[in-house]
Amino acid sequence: GAVVSQHPSRVICKSGTSVKIECRSLDFQATTMFWYRQFPKQSLMLMATSNEGSKATYEQGVEKDKFLINHASLTLSTLTVTSAHPEDSSFYICSARVGGSTDTQYFGPGTRLTVL
Amino acid sequence: AQSVTQLGSHVSVSEGALVLLRCNYSSSVPPYLFWYVQYPNQGLQLLLKYTSAATLVKGINGFEAEFKKSETSFHLTKPSAHMSDAAEYFCAVSESPGNQFYFGTGTSLTVIP
Repeated sequence: GAVVSQHPSRVICKSGTSVKIECRSLDFQATTMFWYRQFPKQSLMLMATSNEGSKATYEQGVEKDKFLINHASLTLSTLTVTSAHPEDSSFYICSARVGGSTDTQYFGPGTRLTVL
Repeated sequence: AQSVTQLGSHVSVSEGALVLLRCNYSSSVPPYLFWYVQYPNQGLQLLLKYTSAATLVKGINGFEAEFKKSETSFHLTKPSAHMSDAAEYFCAVSESPGNQFYFGTGTSLTVIP
């Protein structure tokens, strides 16, 4: 099956710093990528939908100036958590959409962000 | 609008016993339904999916689920639990496999030796 990678898998940063998380589709082109976050012991909540070459669409309540999403190519989307705070600590998971006749999506392994 | 309800945030079964994880959905369009498993500190692994074909869907690791439109349910079952099945299970609904997913709150499965 198709593979989606995320980098880094874990990151620890100090409060106030910015962290970039990469989501890559390794063997297919993804016109759309989704970013989810998962708090401990909770479900995944969609943060934003990222389309290649255009601005991301954010879900209600998600601060677009804090969570910057860039989808510059068909195989890479990045999520930058700006001025991170402890409450941003979470598990961030991306998924990449394969369009066409199959039209399915594949999830990345996730990135564990801890803000001290 | 679409949503998923997973009844029972924690389920415990004995090794070798039947596993039944419940999922009910709400969807304004014919749904696509999915079950994912998540092991600690790992991403999601697809167990099975319903995409409007056969209502009884067989997945990996001996799991299966049955789509029941009249009950708006998509319960996950496995005849005989194994210790390695202990994990978090998420049910999800989507308008299509390529659209955003709406996840349930998850069910933590414990398998008792």
